[in-house]
Amino acid sequence: EVQLLESGGGLVQPGGSLRLSCAASGFTFSIYAMSWVRQAPGKGLEWVSGISGSGGSTYYVGSVKGRCTISRDNSKNTLYLQMNSLRAEDTAVYYCAKDLGSDGHAPLDYWGQGTLVTVSS
Amino acid sequence: SYVLTQPPSVSVAPGKTARITCGGNNIGSKSVHWYQQKPGQAPVLVIYYDSDRPSGIPERFSGSNSGNTATLTISRVEAGDEADYYCQVWDSSSDRSFGGGTKLTVL
Repeated sequence: EVQLLESGGGLVQPGGSLRLSCAASGFTFSIYAMSWVRQAPGKGLEWVSGISGSGGSTYYVGSVKGRCTISRDNSKNTLYLQMNSLRAEDTAVYYCAKDLGSDGHAPLDYWGQGTLVTVSS
Repeated sequence: SYVLTQPPSVSVAPGKTARITCGGNNIGSKSVHWYQQKPGQAPVLVIYYDSDRPSGIPERFSGSNSGNTATLTISRVEAGDEADYYCQVWDSSSDRSFGGGTKLTVL
């Protein structure tokens, strides 16, 4: 059974940093691309970042480029999102999601339950 | 960026057919995926590559895509289908894009 368990969310002041983690199990982690998708309170889904199965290719939405870094440790079956210079508009539930394929272009077939990031003073 | 337009809400009586649209410039040339999200839960993939259904998704869910509109169709709607539905595509200019979401209300 595929399981994705996010952690690392919390309350952070504007300008601060957080590192989100996503522990994966139930599938061969290194084969599949992974993504982070966020959802602000009461709003829709927004894709944030993706990474290929090997980790060699990374992708970001424009609003987080230069502030966020996606990475993965295939030996630990774990996905990360390092978020710096956080802003109020980054407040959201952050979901980890598995790609159906390896290149980052496929649909997202499994999602974690999400971790809440709140940026506020 | 590639913009996807969904109606904010759709209402349907139980047992009837719901159609949720997703508009985009020449969307028929792209692959469209659909997600269902119930309150307080993570999204679930219900249709991918326009019309394929993941295992475990009822046959009542189907999809089509042509021209400037993709459509998610839910036949014989049940109370349990009440949820938010999002369309999504991959585009070279904006990577993954989601539509704004449609709230399906079962009357």
